[in-house]
Amino acid sequence: EADIYQTPRYLVIGTGKKITLECSQTMGHDKMYWYQQDPGMELHLIHYSYGVNSTEKGDLSSESTVSRIRTEHFPLTLESARPSHTSQYLCASSDSGQRANYGYTFGSGTRLTVV
Amino acid sequence: SQKIEQNSEALNIQEGKTATLTCNYTNYSPAYLQWYRQDPGRGPVFLLLIRENEKEKRKERLKVTFDTTLKQSLFHITASQPADSATYLCALQRDSSASKIIFGSGTRLSIRP
Repeated sequence: EADIYQTPRYLVIGTGKKITLECSQTMGHDKMYWYQQDPGMELHLIHYSYGVNSTEKGDLSSESTVSRIRTEHFPLTLESARPSHTSQYLCASSDSGQRANYGYTFGSGTRLTVV
Repeated sequence: SQKIEQNSEALNIQEGKTATLTCNYTNYSPAYLQWYRQDPGRGPVFLLLIRENEKEKRKERLKVTFDTTLKQSLFHITASQPADSATYLCALQRDSSASKIIFGSGTRLSIRP
């Protein structure tokens, strides 16, 4: 019943390549987020957006960039992938107003491996 | 700095028993506390939200308590089933307008038949 979609599910790529992780949601949520999570560790916020043309860096320093040209789409780009970028990347969205208290909806994630 | 502590060791429970998970936090005053379930290789799934002025909240076999004096939340699963086996994450939200929430690292729960 997922209404937020991430592609690709898995990605193995060489060092120095440019990659874009896709995230789309069909719920009309105005807020979207990117988290990074290593196995057994907490989620770290790397980017967020409160609406179209609004993007902010999160609490964890990241070499990635994001864009929010459409409400439903929030892609994350790495200009030059490095082995240190190997991780699980999770996209999430949330509503505002009275429906803000229904938590975040997460995608299934992209497992990125940089070799 | 803000910190969330959850049982770092896995919790193993016999099927049918009540599982209780703990979330403690420091240097934070959340207005809302959320619990999520995460299965291996998947994104977290929202379960419950409790407000600072609520002591307890229930949803089917789940019960959450929130003690702002102790800075602690307890998450209970009654009549546990093997399908409840997963990692459970605690998350804090400062207020209704603060969309950013911070997550704990989670507690892995295993229910044995």
